[in-house]
Amino acid sequence: AQSVTQPDIHITVSEGASLELRCNYSYGATPYLFWYVQSPGQGLQLLLKYFSGDTLVQGIKGFEAEFKRSQSSFNLRKPSVHWSDAAEYFCAVTGTDKLIFGTGTRLQVFP
Amino acid sequence: GAVVSQHPSRVICKSGTSVKIECRSLDFQATTMFWYRQFPKQSLMLMATSNEGSKATYEQGVEKDKFLINHASLTLSTLTVTSAHPEDSSFYICSATLAGGDPGGEFFGPGTRLTVL
Repeated sequence: AQSVTQPDIHITVSEGASLELRCNYSYGATPYLFWYVQSPGQGLQLLLKYFSGDTLVQGIKGFEAEFKRSQSSFNLRKPSVHWSDAAEYFCAVTGTDKLIFGTGTRLQVFP
Repeated sequence: GAVVSQHPSRVICKSGTSVKIECRSLDFQATTMFWYRQFPKQSLMLMATSNEGSKATYEQGVEKDKFLINHASLTLSTLTVTSAHPEDSSFYICSATLAGGDPGGEFFGPGTRLTVL
């Protein structure tokens, strides 16, 4: 069955510190992978996506993610976190139909 | 571009009443719209997929008679929660895709917080 696992429910980092949010997926075919961010009261905003090609994907707001097929992972990274990055982050996978979301990781940023 | 709006942003209703939530694609034509439900501290769960001019396709376990979806035009889909009960209280999010868009290329609305008393 298709699934997405985000092992970390809640992560706290200091402003300026580096960040890595983990995502593992289970999908029978070549997946399309996404990271979304959800701020309180707002809809999901696409940070980046992987379809094919270079396994290191650059996104908006300084985020990047690396697709590792051997590990079935698509971890999100940012070298230096800003206070405005505090939000809920969702990893998602699809083939050609519906998106399947992970349970999300809540990021808290301390000054 | 590619903005999706929802109305209302939050609604409180009494148990037994019906509530309609609108989802609009403001600057593009959306052949397909999706409705999700998000419980507190949980992921988005797809409820149904609606294509303009045809009946919605509901996910397993979603009561189609309770959650009525209408996609009458390429820019508007509505979700009506009929005879709402407190357990229907949730955050409802819609999304829309462009015709011929990338797989998973959904644009999400800001969500509607439904509280049933």
